[in-house]
Amino acid sequence: DAGVIQSPRHEVTEMGQEVTLRCKPISGHNSLFWYRQTMMRGLELLIYFNNNVPIDDSGMPEDRFSAKMPNASFSTLKIQPSEPRDSAVYFCASSLAQDGEQYFGPGTRLTVT
Amino acid sequence: GNSVTQMEGPVTLSEEAFLTINCTYTATGYPSLFWYVQYPGEGLQLLLKATKADDKGSNKGFEATYRKETTSFHLEKGSVQVSDSAVYFCALYTGGFKTIFGAGTRLFVKA
Repeated sequence: DAGVIQSPRHEVTEMGQEVTLRCKPISGHNSLFWYRQTMMRGLELLIYFNNNVPIDDSGMPEDRFSAKMPNASFSTLKIQPSEPRDSAVYFCASSLAQDGEQYFGPGTRLTVT
Repeated sequence: GNSVTQMEGPVTLSEEAFLTINCTYTATGYPSLFWYVQYPGEGLQLLLKATKADDKGSNKGFEATYRKETTSFHLEKGSVQVSDSAVYFCALYTGGFKTIFGAGTRLFVKA
């Protein structure tokens, strides 16, 4: 199994630009999570989906952030417009809901200048 | 609400030293408990888990015992190696969808 796949691995963009992060969960997993990790705030849960439906987006910091899961094998996290304070590592994770064990992707390191 | 508290780092040890990272939790019901490890430049990965009281999870020489009476799940290893340098996260799951993670404890092991 390839595990959770994220792209790109690194993204450098200028303030005001739109950024789209992509995630392919493990086949058969029915829950998907987006996290953000920074030195200052640690690991933060942004949003999670179950069976492609958003369940809780209370962790999304602002309206500039949006996430979609059009099918069971793909999700995106979009930031528009991006700001320097959005610089962080963004992780996608997937799981079987009844298990609780999450499988993390390698992360996307975002730098907004 | 549900929460996890783990000892602040960083923890710095010499190779072959004994490791303990404390973790306590607050939860309704009977959670499953986990330790995840994050190596530099990587995502979190499951290290071990325990699903009920008195269970011991173990992997790669690490152990943790689910103690309901003290609401704890401390991580231990008898002899650490330089390659164990990483950030360790304690976590709990009470059903539904969401896992609650602790703040993480960074471990440095010196040769």
